[in-house]
Amino acid sequence: GAGVSQSPSNKVTEKGKDVELRCDPISGHTALYWYRQSLGQGLEFLIYFQGNSAPDKSGLPSDRFSAERTGGSVSTLTIQRTQQEDSAVYLCASSRQVLNTGELFFGEGSRLTVL
Amino acid sequence: QKEVEQNSGPLSVPEGAIASLNCTYSDRGSQSFFWYRQYSGKSPELIMFIYSNGDKEDGRFTAQLNKASQYVSLLIRDSQPSDSATYLCAVGEAGTALIFGKGTTLSVSS
Repeated sequence: GAGVSQSPSNKVTEKGKDVELRCDPISGHTALYWYRQSLGQGLEFLIYFQGNSAPDKSGLPSDRFSAERTGGSVSTLTIQRTQQEDSAVYLCASSRQVLNTGELFFGEGSRLTVL
Repeated sequence: QKEVEQNSGPLSVPEGAIASLNCTYSDRGSQSFFWYRQYSGKSPELIMFIYSNGDKEDGRFTAQLNKASQYVSLLIRDSQPSDSATYLCAVGEAGTALIFGKGTTLSVSS
């Protein structure tokens, strides 16, 4: 596709349930990032992938969060046993390389609401 | 812990005025600096980046970097109501993800 695609756009779940959020980056982009943005807050880094290198998981807030990237393309962010504080917009971004030229292209985000 | 600090605002300026947005960062190893604009309910989009000390101009926008002071700023000349948005400062270095500030909300009144 032309841009970064995320699904679902909205997800409402009950506390304690698991959720999966999907990101399809721009074709040819080797770097993929997950951020989350709570209401009125900035972007909180979660994890990034670069090619076949081990992902940088330093931003994951707890072991309930995990992510994988299959075949260097599509990524799935999984949140287990969701809590109300997990409610946020989860943004995926991709770039051609991770040398920080800064041109991150963001998807429209997945809004997660945990009841 | 790498930190990027911004005044949350709101910063209110009249149409046609200069808006000045500021950002400080904690990591002296930072190599690249960016300003993203985020309209309400939308995703961030890159408006400027700067790597070297000094000024960089692009149309109505000027980014300023002072590495000694660990300070980045964005000037918007001839501000327009369409510039009303949240401006996110982001800082990075090779091999790491960008760290974003919490953003400054700008309101331009007509």
